Amino acid sequence: NFMLTQPHSVSESPGKTVTISCTRNSGSIATNYVQWYQQRPGSAPTTVIYEDNQRPSGVPDRFSGSIDSSSNSVSLTISGLKTEDEADYYCQSYDSTIHWVFGGGTKLTVL
Amino acid sequence: QVQLQESGPGLVKPSETLSLTCTVSGGSISSYYWTWIRQPPGKGLEWIGYIFHTGSTNYNPSLKSRVTISVDTSKNQFSLKLSSVTAADTAMYYCARNVVAAAIDYWGQGTLVTVSS
Repeated sequence: NFMLTQPHSVSESPGKTVTISCTRNSGSIATNYVQWYQQRPGSAPTTVIYEDNQRPSGVPDRFSGSIDSSSNSVSLTISGLKTEDEADYYCQSYDSTIHWVFGGGTKLTVL
Repeated sequence: QVQLQESGPGLVKPSETLSLTCTVSGGSISSYYWTWIRQPPGKGLEWIGYIFHTGSTNYNPSLKSRVTISVDTSKNQFSLKLSSVTAADTAMYYCARNVVAAAIDYWGQGTLVTVSS
C-alpha cells in the first residue's frame, strides 16, 4: 500500500494564504481522488475538499484543492486566513480496492 | 440536514467486544455508503471500514479479522463490532456518511471508547 505524507505543522498570519501539501510515496497521486478534512480542537472532523478540488456546500471558497503530478502531491490552499481556520488538517485517499489511507495530519496555527 | 449520532458503552474490558451504533436522522440510510473512523487520543485518523446500504462491506485490512459492520435500514442505523479489544483500541470513534465511496460529507460528533479493566 502507499502512504500520504504531510508536514507536521504550518503557521501563517491572519489574512494571508497558506498551503498544506500531501505527498503520495508510491503510485500516481492522480490515480485516486484526495479529500481534505478539518478538525478544530475538541471537535469532530469536517470535510473541506473532496475529489481533489470539490467543496461541500457551506465551505467557503477560501478553501481550494489542487494536484501537482510533478511532485506527486496535492495541496490544500486557504486564502484570507482567519483565526477560526486554526485546526488540524488531514488528507485522505484510497487504493485500487477502495481501502482508505489518511495522512498524518498538519497542525495549522494562525498567529 | 443529515445528523449522525454514535451510541454505545464508553468503557470496554480487554478481550471483550466493542459495540457501537450510529443512528441517522434527517435522511434515509438507503443509497449511501456509511463509514466508521477512529482516532486514538492525541493521534491521527484511522479508517475502520464502510458499508453500503445493501450490506456490502469493505474493511481496513489491519482490522479485518476483528471488525464487523452491519446496517439496519428499518431503524436507519448502522453498527460496528470490534472483537478482542486491547488498550490500543482506545479511541474516539466516529461514524460518517460517504458522499461517494471514498469521501465523507457528514460526520457524527464521535464517542470515546476506553478499553480498560
